[in-house]
Amino acid sequence: AQSVAQPEDQVNVAEGNPLTVKCTYSVSGNPYLFWYVQYPNRGLQFLLKYITGDNLVKGSYGFEAEFNKSQTSFHLKKPSALVSDSALYFCAVRAFSSGSARQLTFGSGTQLTVLP
Amino acid sequence: NAGVMQNPRHLVRRRGQEARLRCSPMKGHSHVYWYRQLPEEGLKFMVYLQKENIIDESGMPKERFSAEFPKEGPSILRIQQVVRGDSAAYFCASSPQRDSNQPQHFGDGTRLSIL
Repeated sequence: AQSVAQPEDQVNVAEGNPLTVKCTYSVSGNPYLFWYVQYPNRGLQFLLKYITGDNLVKGSYGFEAEFNKSQTSFHLKKPSALVSDSALYFCAVRAFSSGSARQLTFGSGTQLTVLP
Repeated sequence: NAGVMQNPRHLVRRRGQEARLRCSPMKGHSHVYWYRQLPEEGLKFMVYLQKENIIDESGMPKERFSAEFPKEGPSILRIQQVVRGDSAAYFCASSPQRDSNQPQHFGDGTRLSIL
């Protein structure tokens, strides 16, 4: 079984400061890892993914994430936060090769608030 | 709009009625996934479909819930005899290939409220 943990329900950061949203995962085999963002009353928007290759992945809107296999983590980062980054962020995982299981397993989400 | 389209955006039903949620995948996508999001929770997988086939329904409740993705037309998630606990946001996602590493693209969801 695969699982995702987002240990922080809420992250507050001042505008212009760096932000980190944490994610750890558990999966059999190699993972596909994703970050999505959700604005109120909207669906999830894809930010970035890790499949293979460089451990540092760059995505949309200046976000990046670092894959750490030994710590089974995939933390989302941004060097300088904007007020408009305030939203709900979800980390998700699926196994690289998992038979018929193609679904994503999501974390419980982290509400990011960027303070002006 | 080339994105995943879900309708209705909001649906209100009384206990015991039926709810039908529709999802049209992105153009060129042949795989559809349904997820449910309860308040203050993440998304939980329900079912994964290909055209005319259910590939994985391990997340579907055993009773009252069904899904289809016909050869023509949108995917339908059907909930019979709804109960208050069915109140949630239901999201559809699509992807282009079964074994692709492409991300799933999500619609804006249907918010189901049971009176």
